[in-house]
Amino acid sequence: KAGVTQTPRYLIKTRGQQVTLSCSPISGHRSVSWYQQTPGQGLQFLFEYFSETQRNKGNFPGRFSGRQFSNSRSEMNVSTLELGDSALYLCASRDRGEAFFGQGTRLTVV
Amino acid sequence: AQSVTQLGSHVSVSEGALVLLRCNYSSSVPPYLFWYVQYPNQGLQLLLKYTSAATLVKGINGFEAEFKKSETSFHLTKPSAHMSDAAEYFCAVSAASGGSYIPTFGRGTSLIVHP
Repeated sequence: KAGVTQTPRYLIKTRGQQVTLSCSPISGHRSVSWYQQTPGQGLQFLFEYFSETQRNKGNFPGRFSGRQFSNSRSEMNVSTLELGDSALYLCASRDRGEAFFGQGTRLTVV
Repeated sequence: AQSVTQLGSHVSVSEGALVLLRCNYSSSVPPYLFWYVQYPNQGLQLLLKYTSAATLVKGINGFEAEFKKSETSFHLTKPSAHMSDAAEYFCAVSAASGGSYIPTFGRGTSLIVHP
């Protein structure tokens, strides 16, 4: 089976812009979770989608949103980017409790 | 509610020495427990997992961890460190909550291996 695929791997954006990140989960996995990883805060849970519905949400502002399509692929959108949004964004597809991670998207906001 | 505490943000060992990374968890229901490893600019890779079977769990790359319910611990060990083990290690706990098993991660421990 192919693993979790995240695109793009690297992004540079300017403050105020918006960005969309993509995640294709492992075939057959219906749960997709997103995490933000920064040196200061560690791994923070953003949200989880299951069968096209947001099932859980972390403590992030409304600028962070996501969606999931019928083929389980998921996108994450961040609007009005801030410098503090610079981070590694990780997507994970889950089989019950075990999470399988993609390589991540490194977002740099300048 | 569930939480994970990893003791020590950095652990330094010599090549060939024992590796011990500590993890304590709290969970109101029987948990699943995991250790992940992350290399720079990569995603997290599963090292091993505990899912209520044997309490001593063997993983990849010679790592193992022991689930101790009385101590609420799940420490990661490796008898002999190798230079390639230098990475960030994350402990995670996952327990059923409303039908979901969202894992909670510790802050991570950076393993430094000296020649």
